Amino acid sequence: AQRVTQPEKLLSVFKGAPVELKCNYSYSGSPELFWYVQYSRQRLQLLLRHISRESIKGFTADLNKGETSFHLKKPFAQEEDSAMYYCALHLYNFNKFYFGSGTKLNVKP
Amino acid sequence: NAGVTQTPKFQVLKTGQSMTLQCAQDMNHEYMSWYRQDPGMGLRLIHYSVGAGITDQGEVPNGYNVSRSTTEDFPLRLLSAAPSQTSVYFCASSYSNRGGNGYTFGSGTRLTVV
Repeated sequence: AQRVTQPEKLLSVFKGAPVELKCNYSYSGSPELFWYVQYSRQRLQLLLRHISRESIKGFTADLNKGETSFHLKKPFAQEEDSAMYYCALHLYNFNKFYFGSGTKLNVKP
Repeated sequence: NAGVTQTPKFQVLKTGQSMTLQCAQDMNHEYMSWYRQDPGMGLRLIHYSVGAGITDQGEVPNGYNVSRSTTEDFPLRLLSAAPSQTSVYFCASSYSNRGGNGYTFGSGTRLTVV
């Protein structure tokens, strides 16, 4: 069963526009959720962890247990934000990370 | 501190050939995993290890073997390469089984099977 769903394969926005990358998860327990970013032909890098409630590069993500969502948001997109973004769910009991299929963000000038 | 090092970066194999993708980490991480990345399918877990001497299967283990004789190394073996194994392979490690700081990823191996 799909544990992590990212419904958008591609999201195109103009520079300065707000952006929201959607992530929904399927897990009835207490999830640990992450966002990873992969710039062109580079390795995946950790962007955000829900437990730290931090803002990295202007991005934030809030865990909504009622909607089982962990959407990634940025109020003003920049061209350097263009990348592939993966939402990931870590299940402590299974020692595994589950990744979504990814959303490619394209920020146009 | 090199992080997670994968070799080779690129490889072309003929169908039926075998090879080993190398992965090493110098962060004393207990947890290591192998993923394959395919367009539209995200990352799929092949095998993972929770410590030296312990390995387990992920979502797509068929055609691959792993071993974990040391904490540092977690090689992935393709037994008899098939075109369906053309993919980008990522090795990742983490300190503990709590998500914590998440995974540290290697730079990937781009494998083409012809």
